[in-house]
Amino acid sequence: GAGVSQSPSNKVTEKGKDVELRCDPISGHTALYWYRQSLGQGLEFLIYFQGNSAPDKSGLPSDRFSAERTGGSVSTLTIQRTQQEDSAVYLCASSLALGRTEAFFGQGTRLTVV
Amino acid sequence: GESVGLHLPTLSVQEGDNSIINCAYSNSASDYFIWYKQESGKGPQFIIDIRSNMDKRQGQRVTVLLNKTVKHLSLQIAATQPGDSAVYFCADSADGLTFGKGTHLIIQP
Repeated sequence: GAGVSQSPSNKVTEKGKDVELRCDPISGHTALYWYRQSLGQGLEFLIYFQGNSAPDKSGLPSDRFSAERTGGSVSTLTIQRTQQEDSAVYLCASSLALGRTEAFFGQGTRLTVV
Repeated sequence: GESVGLHLPTLSVQEGDNSIINCAYSNSASDYFIWYKQESGKGPQFIIDIRSNMDKRQGQRVTVLLNKTVKHLSLQIAATQPGDSAVYFCADSADGLTFGKGTHLIIQP
C-alpha cells in the first residue's frame, strides 16, 4: 500500500479479553515502531523492530503486552487480559532504516476497554 | 533514563505571526532528529528532519535549528496559518524513535 495501514481502526473490548492489533508497514521499510497515546498525551514508545527482531522490549508496559513481526513486514501487537488502563490509541510507524530516515505513521487503532 | 522533552505544553500565537517551538534532548548519542505535526484524530505527520552534522535546515515556512552544545532543538514556523494548529512533537532516533511530550500550538485569528 501507499502508506502504513493499521487495523482495526476502532476496537471495543470487554475487560479481561485478549486483543490483537495489526500494522502493515510501507513496503520495503525495515524498521517498525509501536506507540501508545492516551487522550491529550504524548507518544509512549512501546517497541521497535529492525527486520523481524525486537532488540529491546523494556518499553512494553507489562507482560500482558507482546509484539511480533514476520517476514519483515506485518506486525501484530497483542494485549492479553485487557484492563481499562489499556484504553488508548495505538500507533504504528515504519521507516526505511532504523534511526536514519523519517518514520511514517498509520492512523492508529483506538482501543476502548469496557 | 535519557529522554526527549519539550519546554512548553501550549503555545498561542496570532495568525500571521511566527512561532517557535522548543525541544530539549538528553541523549548525547543522538544524531538524527525529526519534527512531527499531529492534528486531532490523526497520526503524526512528518514535517522536517535534521542530522547532527547540521545546525539549521529549512523547509517550506519551517526551519529547524539544532544546538548540540546545549542539546536543544527548535522548530520555527513562519507566518502561521489556521492550519498550523496542532500538537508538535520532536523525536530523537538514538534508540528507536523516542518522542517528547508535545506542544499544542494554537493559532488565534
